[in-house]
Amino acid sequence: AQTVTQSQPEMSVQEAETVTLSCTYDTSESDYYLFWYKQPPSRQMILVIRQEAYKQQNATENRFSVNFQKAAKSFSLKISDSQLGDAAMYFCAYRTYGSSNTGKLIFGQGTTLQVKP
Amino acid sequence: GAVVSQHPSWVICKSGTSVKIECRSLDFQATTMFWYRQFPKQSLMLMATSNEGSKATYEQGVEKDKFLINHASLTLSTLTVTSAHPEDSSFYICSARVGLGTGGENTNSPLHFGNGTRLTVT
Repeated sequence: AQTVTQSQPEMSVQEAETVTLSCTYDTSESDYYLFWYKQPPSRQMILVIRQEAYKQQNATENRFSVNFQKAAKSFSLKISDSQLGDAAMYFCAYRTYGSSNTGKLIFGQGTTLQVKP
Repeated sequence: GAVVSQHPSWVICKSGTSVKIECRSLDFQATTMFWYRQFPKQSLMLMATSNEGSKATYEQGVEKDKFLINHASLTLSTLTVTSAHPEDSSFYICSARVGLGTGGENTNSPLHFGNGTRLTVT
């Protein structure tokens, strides 16, 4: 069974600074997806970024980028130029790829990010 | 973009009563929907996978007789919490994926989340 671990329950960053959220996972599969979701106080789940395991290039979305280390099974999220609106709970998630993919996500424990003005 | 509507957003019920939560895909057909449960400041835990026209697949430890799931159409799945107790108080979130063979995307299409339902059992 796959597992996702986020070892940082809480993080804080100064506005305009950069912060990195950690995520490790365990799987025996070779192809899969990894995601970072943001959950603000509204509780709405917002997709931040997505990485296909077969792609070596790290995904980027504006101020958000990942450091995907497949051999180490590590998938960290870097937020550059942090903004007050980035304050939220962030979840790392795993999903199987391909025909055996039911679509279900396995979530990590979450990291609460505080952005200080 | 694809929208998933979840209703109600907030409900209070008395212990022993049943509560139904609806999850609708508004602009796409979803053969598969997922129900998650989230306690405050904790992760989302998958409860069950809802498949249109067939029985739901429950995760280990989830009581299927307590959490009834019905996916009667390609756009609607319902979760009924039966004989609710205070320990069932939680945040319930559904997600849906564009269905195969419905003119949608492939098996790796993204998931779309509802806004969640906060259930309080008194």
